[in-house]
Amino acid sequence: GESVGLHLPTLSVQEGDNSIINCAYSNSASDYFIWYKQESGKGPQFIIDIRSNMDKRQGQRVTVLLNKTVKHLSLQIAATQPGDSAVYFCAENMDAAGNKLTFGGGTRVLVKP
Amino acid sequence: DAGITQSPRHKVTETGTPVTLRCHQTENHRYMYWYRQDPGHGLRLIHYSYGVKDTDKGEVSDGYSVSRSKTEDFLLTLESATSSQTSVYFCAIALRADTEAFFGQGTRLTVV
Repeated sequence: GESVGLHLPTLSVQEGDNSIINCAYSNSASDYFIWYKQESGKGPQFIIDIRSNMDKRQGQRVTVLLNKTVKHLSLQIAATQPGDSAVYFCAENMDAAGNKLTFGGGTRVLVKP
Repeated sequence: DAGITQSPRHKVTETGTPVTLRCHQTENHRYMYWYRQDPGHGLRLIHYSYGVKDTDKGEVSDGYSVSRSKTEDFLLTLESATSSQTSVYFCAIALRADTEAFFGQGTRLTVV
């Protein structure tokens, strides 16, 4: 498998508990944010997105919160399952024209049975 | 994988040789991106394209060039490969700048 997560912060969660993954973004002008999940040996997979005119968005078992004041993004996963074990990345569209999708460093989530 | 094909999937090459990676899409998406992924660095943007023949640099563009002569293909070229370019390379596509990007399966490149 891919060793991408060697130096990543790790969140250990008991199966069934809720997970919260945090991300600090860098550009106050960014207006679009995405959370991705990456499993070993695979490309990142879209989870949920949010635009800067919103502060909360919900999907299936996931919620993204955006705090523009402190440039903070979080992903909440409800009732975490073993299949949620992966590396999670936030991304922002951060250049003036909005073309450049830039990623944060990632967080590894380990779900304990 | 959203109609994205990266080729080759694996490649081993020698230092100093040119290498071209190909990203092909069947979605007619305007935006295409090349990222590299290394342990401890997450995904770093190399180059991106916002249309045919419209490309721009990302945060780690030194040593790489790109071309997009048609909507469906985005080529990444390492003019003279170095060991520091050993990495996993991902291509991504997006319909618009403010929509989600879909990723390919990646190309593992080893420069020896």
